[in-house]
Amino acid sequence: DAMVIQNPRYQVTQFGKPVTLSCSQTLNHNVMYWYQQKSSQAPKLLFHYYDKDFNNEADTPDNFQSRRPNTSFCFLDIRSPGLGDTAMYLCATSRDTSEKLFFGSGTQLSVL
Amino acid sequence: EDQVTQSPEALRLQEGESSSLNCSYTVSGLRGLFWYRQDPGKGPEFLFTLYSAGEEKEKERLKATLTKKESFLHITAPKPEDSATYLCAVVGKTSGSRLTFGEGTQLTVNP
Repeated sequence: DAMVIQNPRYQVTQFGKPVTLSCSQTLNHNVMYWYQQKSSQAPKLLFHYYDKDFNNEADTPDNFQSRRPNTSFCFLDIRSPGLGDTAMYLCATSRDTSEKLFFGSGTQLSVL
Repeated sequence: EDQVTQSPEALRLQEGESSSLNCSYTVSGLRGLFWYRQDPGKGPEFLFTLYSAGEEKEKERLKATLTKKESFLHITAPKPEDSATYLCAVVGKTSGSRLTFGEGTQLTVNP
C-alpha cells in the first residue's frame, strides 16, 4: 500500500521548459517536504509545508516553487530548469516536525 | 549548524561477515537521530529513530546504537539483500523541522 506517491517516476525536460512534479499522501500527515538529491549526495531540503504554512530554505533558488492545495497533495514547480537541476526529487511527509519522514519513490528529473 | 559525517563511504562485505557503519554528528540539542535505507533509484526507507545516548534499537540483522557524538549501525551476518545505501540524519532543537543528512554509506554484500 503506497502511502506517499510521486508522479511521474521519470521526467525529461528541456533547458528552460517549466516542469511540475506531483506528490500525494494517504497518511493525513501535517507536514510535506521536498528534497533534492543529486547522485551519491545527501538529500537537500528545498522547502516544506506545515499544513498551509510554507517554509522555504534560505538557499533554495527562486526557480523552485511549491503549492499545497490540500492536505493530500503537494507540487514542485521548476520554472526554468537548468542542467544543474538534474536530480532525484523526493517528497516526504511526517506527522509533525522532527518526527520520522515517510518518503515517496522519487521523481528522477533529467534536464537536457 | 548541524553536521553529519558517515564512514566509510563504501563497504564491501561477504555474506555472513558482520560489520558496523558509523555516523558522527554535531548538533545543538539532539531531538532525534534517524537511520534510513535507500535502494538505487528509490526513496529512503525508515529504519530507526534514536533519541538519547545509550539507546539501542534492533530490527532483524540491524542494530542501531547512540552515544553523545555518534551512532553505529551494526549489521550481523548480512545477506546480499542488505546491499543498499544507509543514510543517517539528525534534527536538533534549533533546526526547526530540518533534518540534516549525511552522504551515506554504500554497502555491498557479496554472496
